Amino acid sequence: LAKTTQPISMDSYEGQEVNITCSHNNIATNDYITWYQQFPSQGPRFIIQGYKTKVTNEVASLFIPADRKSSTLSLPRVSLSDTAVYYCLVGDSGGSYIPTFGRGTSLIVHP
Amino acid sequence: EAGVAQSPRYKIIEKRQSVAFWCNPISGHATLYWYQQILGQGPKLLIQFQNNGVVDDSQLPKDRFSAERLKGVDSTLKIQPAKLEDSAVYLCASTPGRFEQYFGPGTRLTVT
Repeated sequence: LAKTTQPISMDSYEGQEVNITCSHNNIATNDYITWYQQFPSQGPRFIIQGYKTKVTNEVASLFIPADRKSSTLSLPRVSLSDTAVYYCLVGDSGGSYIPTFGRGTSLIVHP
Repeated sequence: EAGVAQSPRYKIIEKRQSVAFWCNPISGHATLYWYQQILGQGPKLLIQFQNNGVVDDSQLPKDRFSAERLKGVDSTLKIQPAKLEDSAVYLCASTPGRFEQYFGPGTRLTVT
C-alpha cells in the first residue's frame, strides 16, 4: 500500500494559483492517484483522479511526472470558498482497493 | 440524483451505551464504506462492502463495532458498548466504480 505525504497546511490569497504536492515514493504500477476536498462538517468530495501526465477538469488540474513518485493538485485562481482540507490517495486499479486517507493539507485562502 | 443519506446527523450517548447509524447509498452503487473521522484527522476506513459481502474490515474494532449490509443496499453500523474515544464523525460513502467515492453528511457522535 503506497503511503502518501502532504504538507500539513498552506496559506494563499484570493485569485492566486495554489499547488499542493503529494509524495508517494512507493507507488505501484497499477496505482491511481485521487484527490478529495473536505469542508468543515461535510464529507469529503471527489475532485480529480489520474494515472500519469496531466488531467484537467472544471475544478482542478492534476500533474503527475513520469516517475509518478509525486503528484501536484493545482487550483487556479482560488477564492475564499476553496478553504478546505485536501487529501491525496493512492490506490490499486486491480485487486482490492483499500482507500487510505492521511491527515491531508489544510488550505486557508485569505482575502 | 439523490446523494448518500445518513441518519441520525447527531447523537449524544453515555459511555457503555449502544448506538446505531444508518446509511442509504446512491442507487446502483455496489461498494459501500464506513469511515470514522476524529477531529483533526483524515477519515479512517472501518469496513468496506461489495454488495452484501465484506471486502475489508481489518480496522474495525470487532469487540464493540459491527456492521451489516443486508440485501446489498442499506447498511447499519453499531457500537456496543461505546467508549469515550469513539466520539467522532462516522461517514458513509458509496461508489459505482473504484476511486470516485460519494460521501454522506456524516453522523457526529459524542460519548460522555
